[in-house]
Amino acid sequence: GEDVEQSLFLSVREGDSSVINCTYTDSSSTYLYWYKQEPGAGLQLLTYIFSNMDMKQDQRLTVLLNKKDKHLSLRIADTQTGDSAIYFCAESTSGTYKYIFGTGTRLKVLA
Amino acid sequence: DAGVIQSPRHEVTEMGQEVTLRCKPISGHNSLFWYRQTMMRGLELLIYFNNNVPIDDSGMPEDRFSAKMPNASFSTLKIQPSEPRDSAVYFCASSLSGDNYYEQYFGPGTRLTVT
Repeated sequence: GEDVEQSLFLSVREGDSSVINCTYTDSSSTYLYWYKQEPGAGLQLLTYIFSNMDMKQDQRLTVLLNKKDKHLSLRIADTQTGDSAIYFCAESTSGTYKYIFGTGTRLKVLA
Repeated sequence: DAGVIQSPRHEVTEMGQEVTLRCKPISGHNSLFWYRQTMMRGLELLIYFNNNVPIDDSGMPEDRFSAKMPNASFSTLKIQPSEPRDSAVYFCASSLSGDNYYEQYFGPGTRLTVT
């Protein structure tokens, strides 16, 4: 079945860039999402990218998609302590409601 | 907009008791999802409603779990009887579903502890 994989942990220093990676297996994926979960909170949609795009930039966030390798990344520029959270990658296919979520990457930002 | 509202935020109950979790989706959204999050299994989709009708309940783990959506602004997830292995965070999410796109907005979750 479809699978989405992420590394479990990432630690960066405040002010550095963070890069969170995700791989997926479903070649028919149409939409790929990044969600942020802060402690004790729900998942907050950060950004998404259509599968016909290579890159999307939104302020400090840059999403890169390599469809050939089925690899998605989220780059956070000038990482701040408030960016410390769990980041989930998810994918869905056009016309379906079902998201396949990754396991989440816990980002720790060191002051 | 207030976002997706869930209640209670925390629930502690004893094994065998009935538990009811509540969700109010974002006004105007026509799709509602119930998820369960645990360390071991991550995020699991339990059930999906579209226009108040259950479309996919294949993720509901057992007959002890049931969900209803009596109208567009309210849904419940009930566990009867509850067991310690049901301890998890339960999320409700809603979306406005078009032909191709389902952007889901999550509530803050209900942390359930069954002792």
